[in-house]
Formats: sequence, C-alpha cells, structure tokens
Amino acid sequence: AQSVSQHNHHVILSEAASLELGCNYSYGGTVNLFWYVQYPGQHLQLLLKYFSGDPLVKGIKGFEAEFIKSKFSFNLRKPSVQWSDTAEYFCAVTLRSNDYKLSFGAGTTVTVRA
Amino acid sequence: DSGVTQTPKHLITATGQRVTLRCSPRSGDLSVYWYQQSLDQGLQFLIQYYNGEERAKGNILERFSAQQFPDLHSELNLSSLELGDSALYFCASNLGPNTGELFFGEGSRLTVL
Repeated sequence: AQSVSQHNHHVILSEAASLELGCNYSYGGTVNLFWYVQYPGQHLQLLLKYFSGDPLVKGIKGFEAEFIKSKFSFNLRKPSVQWSDTAEYFCAVTLRSNDYKLSFGAGTTVTVRA
Repeated sequence: DSGVTQTPKHLITATGQRVTLRCSPRSGDLSVYWYQQSLDQGLQFLIQYYNGEERAKGNILERFSAQQFPDLHSELNLSSLELGDSALYFCASNLGPNTGELFFGEGSRLTVL
C-alpha cells in the first residue's frame, strides 16, 4: 500500500540549531515529492518540491531537501533554525503518473525555543 | 494569501445536521481538492475535481459528497454529522494534472456538538 511516513512527531530545539526531518515513502513508480509547512493559525504553504533533476532541492526560508531514491527518502533540512520556524511540517508524495492524489505524512510539529 | 477562498471559516453544529462548505479556487485553476485534517487522522485526501468532473476519491465517507460547478467553485456537503466529523476541512487548487503544487485555502473548522 502507498504510504508516507514522517519519523518524528514533535521536535523541540533551540534557535540556531540544525534541523532535519525524516520522510520515507512507499510507492511503486516515479514520484513527485513535496514539503509543506503550516504556521500556527495559517494555511499550508509549499516549502519546496522535487520532480526531477538535482536530488538536492532548495526551497524558501533556507530550507533544503534531499531525494535519495535508493532509500525512498526525502528528508528536510535547515542548518540554523529561527523562532519563526515554529510550525508543523508535512511531507507529501504523489505518483507522477497520477498526481490527482497527493498523500501527506502525519506531520512533524517543530517548536523552536528562543 | 494563496488565492483560494473557503467559507465559512468556523462552523458549529449539532449531530445529525448537514452543512455545506464552499471553496473558490485560485483564478485560472481547474482542479479542486478537498482534505480533512483531524488530530487523530492527520491530513486525509477526500476528493478531487477537475473542470467539473470528479477525478479521484480518497477516504471520503458516503455521508459526504462534493461537486464542482461550471464557475469552478466547489462545495463539500457533509450530512448526518457525527462528533468524529469535527475537523479542519481544507480546499486546495491547482491548474490541473501534472502541475504538482497545490495551493491551500485557510480551511473551514467544523465543530460538531
């Protein structure tokens, strides 16, 4: 069955710490990969996406993610977080052949302490 | 502002009732998606329409139905409401197949008492 797994439910860290959030997927076929962020009280916004090409993609606000096909992973990273990065982060996957259904992971709540 | 408009923002109703949630997609977008976000289930894909036609169905209950109108706005109808239907319902839109990124509205928070 197709699934998206995010390893961490809640991450707490201090400002300037590095952040890495894990995402693994189980899909048969070529995929499109996304990370979305939901700031408190706001709608989901796209952080970055991977369709093809360079497996290291850079997104907004200093975030980047690396697609490792052999590991079915698309981990999100930020070298130095800020208090304003406090949010919920969702990994999402869709099959390139049928991108009608974008499936989300359970989400990771990130709390950055000032 | 994503350009996707959802109404109402908040809705409180009783069990057994029926509600309608409305979504206006971004200008030019032909696809509309509905998602349910709850604490225990996370973000669940419900249904998707493209240019007025249903294209994909997810974990949508039979008590729920949706449609996309000729002007491309969409409505999600929830009937015989149960306590467990309390959730945040998101609408998203994009241009259509293989355009990838979804643009989300701010959601309609439904509370069933």
